Amino acid sequence: SQTIHQWPATLVQPVGSPLSLECTVEGTSNPNLYWYRQAAGRGLQLLFYSVGIGQISSEVPQNLSASRPQDRQFILSSKKLLLSDSGFYLCAWSVAGYEQYFGPGTRLTVT
Amino acid sequence: TQLLEQSPQFLSIQEGENLTVYCNSSSVFSSLQWYRQEPGEGPVLLVTVVTGGEVKKLKRLTFQFGDARKDSSLHITAAQPGDTGLYLCAGYSTDSWGKLQFGAGTQVVVTP
Repeated sequence: SQTIHQWPATLVQPVGSPLSLECTVEGTSNPNLYWYRQAAGRGLQLLFYSVGIGQISSEVPQNLSASRPQDRQFILSSKKLLLSDSGFYLCAWSVAGYEQYFGPGTRLTVT
Repeated sequence: TQLLEQSPQFLSIQEGENLTVYCNSSSVFSSLQWYRQEPGEGPVLLVTVVTGGEVKKLKRLTFQFGDARKDSSLHITAAQPGDTGLYLCAGYSTDSWGKLQFGAGTQVVVTP
């Protein structure tokens, strides 16, 4: 069966510090991978998605970047965090695209 | 951009009551998914509907896809406190390059 991991689960970082969130998927090959951000109690904003190693598409211009160094690894980064980067970050995978399976999320607080 | 509008935004009911959540769009979708999310966790896929007019049942949950594939509804019968959560609908189009369009969600609270 497939599983998806995200870490860390929670993170508190000062403004201006770097960020690295990691997502890994097990039990499937060549998945589509996605990074979302969610405001409290609301819907999901797609940030990045990837259809293969090294292939990243950005949906929203922002202070963040993404990389996919391996088939089942997806990383979300920032060189300098802003207060507005606070939120709940979710990674998801999909094979067919229309059914996505989400990780447990990372709660990021920028202080 | 294909927009999905969910209503209501918030729903608070007593245990045993029924509820319906709506998901509407002016665009046609190839399929539509419903997710439930609990606080501090990732959304969990409940169901996918792909055929216009399709009805799927998952225990006390009934999902319907509109005939024109532009809207969907989720009906919960005899709600229980365990049904509490954020319900999200998401639409998929074959020309969307593997991306889903999510609604803003409906927060459902079921009190004992």
